[in-house]
Amino acid sequence: VQLVESGGGLVKPGGSLRLSCAASGFKFTDAWMSWVRQAPGKGLEWVGRIYSKGSGETTEYTASVKGRFSISRDDSRNMIYLQMNSLNAEDTAVYFCTWVGSTMALDYWGQGSLVTVSS
Amino acid sequence: QSALTQPASVSGSPGQSITISCTGTSSDIGTNDLISWYQHHPGKAPKLMIFKVTNRPSGVSFRFSGSKSGNMASLTISGLQAEDEADYYCCSCAGESTWVFGGGTRVTVL
Repeated sequence: VQLVESGGGLVKPGGSLRLSCAASGFKFTDAWMSWVRQAPGKGLEWVGRIYSKGSGETTEYTASVKGRFSISRDDSRNMIYLQMNSLNAEDTAVYFCTWVGSTMALDYWGQGSLVTVSS
Repeated sequence: QSALTQPASVSGSPGQSITISCTGTSSDIGTNDLISWYQHHPGKAPKLMIFKVTNRPSGVSFRFSGSKSGNMASLTISGLQAEDEADYYCCSCAGESTWVFGGGTRVTVL
């Protein structure tokens, strides 16, 4: 199993950024996927999740990002995306892509992608 | 939904056992068994250690065990080793509701 995030970088407050996660090594079309972040010096924070198409492709988000962030998937490319809008300094973090496996937990994690929101 | 409550730090000597608590409410830990624990060495990807309260994934040492009583889950590390020094997080990662992590516990091996 491999999860590789990309798209992180420096963005100004109020700006937008899209993270990508390339998945391999498991049946992606059946996969529930999630994003987790870790701000500098802080703990892990769940950001949001997307179910498989077969489970309705529904999404859910933590309150602090609802309405600003959205998760989508492209099963033809084995990719998920995290679109982040109206970014602020509190969104500065390493963002991890995770796979919800048969354990119904976050079985595998990517190495993370750093997003820095600063003027 | 508020973060689950964990002690900021726990320490022990090599060979000892330590327990990390994770306290929630009847809305999260108290009503679901999809409680998991993660080990995180800074700069690396977090690793699943316990799922569904008590289960160990393949490859995780038997020295790690999980339990739950009421609104509190616990992770016990027995026979503490230097390599166990890391941050540990519980998670109520369940179903249709929002998921939530604990604040994290730094384990120090003395």
